[in-house]
Parts: sequence; C-alpha cells; structure tokens
Amino acid sequence: EPEVTQTPSHQVTQMGQEVILRCVPISNHLYFYWYRQILGQKVEFLVSFYNNEISEKSEIFDDRFSVERPDGSNFTLKIRSTKLEDSAMYFCASRNIAGVINEQFFGPGTRLTVL
Amino acid sequence: AQTVTQSQPEMSVQEAETVTLSCTYDTSESNYYLFWYKQPPSRQMILVIRQEAYKQQNATENRFSVNFQKAAKSFSLKISDSQLGDTAMYFCALEYGNKLVFGAGTILRVKS
Repeated sequence: EPEVTQTPSHQVTQMGQEVILRCVPISNHLYFYWYRQILGQKVEFLVSFYNNEISEKSEIFDDRFSVERPDGSNFTLKIRSTKLEDSAMYFCASRNIAGVINEQFFGPGTRLTVL
Repeated sequence: AQTVTQSQPEMSVQEAETVTLSCTYDTSESNYYLFWYKQPPSRQMILVIRQEAYKQQNATENRFSVNFQKAAKSFSLKISDSQLGDTAMYFCALEYGNKLVFGAGTILRVKS
C-alpha cells in the first residue's frame, strides 16, 4: 500500500539555523500539505501546495517558512532562522482530489527540536 | 471561523466495552467532510473513519462508527469491543477550504 514518507524522523538544530524537512508524497497525489503539532497540543495547518504553488497558508507560516517541490517526488519544508517555538512534530500529508477519495494521507512526522 | 471542539480531554474504558468520544463543530459550509484520526504513542496520524456531510447515513468501519447529527453539528465516535491497541489520542477534524481543522483531541486509555 502506498504511503507518505518523511525524513528525518528527528532533527535537532541550534536556534538561528536553517532546517529542511523532507517528504515523499504518494505518487499520484496532487495536493500536498504541512501540519504542525506542538507537544501536547492540537494539530495545526501550515500550508497547502498545488500545481507547484502555495494555495493556502496559515498565520503560522511566516516569512521564515518556505515549501518547494524540487522534483517530481519530493516536497520540502524549509525553516530559516529557527526559533525555540518552532520545536514541534511536523507532518506532511498528500491527497488525490480526483474521484471520491478525498482523505489526506499523513506521513509519520518529523520531530524538530530547536535548542 | 471553522472550529472543532472535543470536550473530553481524557477517557478510559475496559477492554471489550464500548466507548463514545464526543465532537462538535461549527461551519457555515453546507457540504463538508468530517474525520476521526487516531494518533498512537508513535504519533503517526491514522485515519479511523470519515463522513460526508451530504450523507445522512452514519459511517461505519468495523468496530468504529459515528453518530452524525448535522443540525446539532455533532460528530461522535463510537468504539465497540474496545481493544488494548485502541489506546491513543483521537482527533476529530473538519475539512474546510481544502485543509483540515482539528480538535484538541481526546486521550483514550483501554484498560485490561
């Protein structure tokens, strides 16, 4: 069964550094997403991406955040000048909007720790 | 604004018993989707069940079923014959504008 994969599973970085979180969505999916979950809190939407551009972003997704689909398979989230409050679990998700299947499939997450 | 409320921070149930998790939501949309996701200690997000708002029939998936009350904007999850592996955080979610809005979650503990 196809699945969304994410690397690394855990990333530790120093405050002020840049990190790139990587995701490989399911191959025939068209919409891609990043969500964030601070420990013990709810899952929050960050950004959605379709047709090689951002379709929607939340207020959390400030100028330090960017997303990219550099090739036909990877979908990345870059965070520049990381802050302590960026520490969270980051989930990638993808969705095939064709037909009746409309659920978002989530990856296993990347735990980001900013020291 | 679209909101999802889960009023039960924690619940526990004995193995083989039935438990119901509550969820209410608010949306101005007439057609939308509702989901329950399970998050075990591994923190993977796993879809449990989904409901299309235009369908009056409640969704069921094996031991999992929902009670969808559109007028009351209520979407509860019933787990029958609870198993130890059901121990997890459960999130109710509303799809709005091509994104998911999640509730705060309910921790379910199944006791042997």
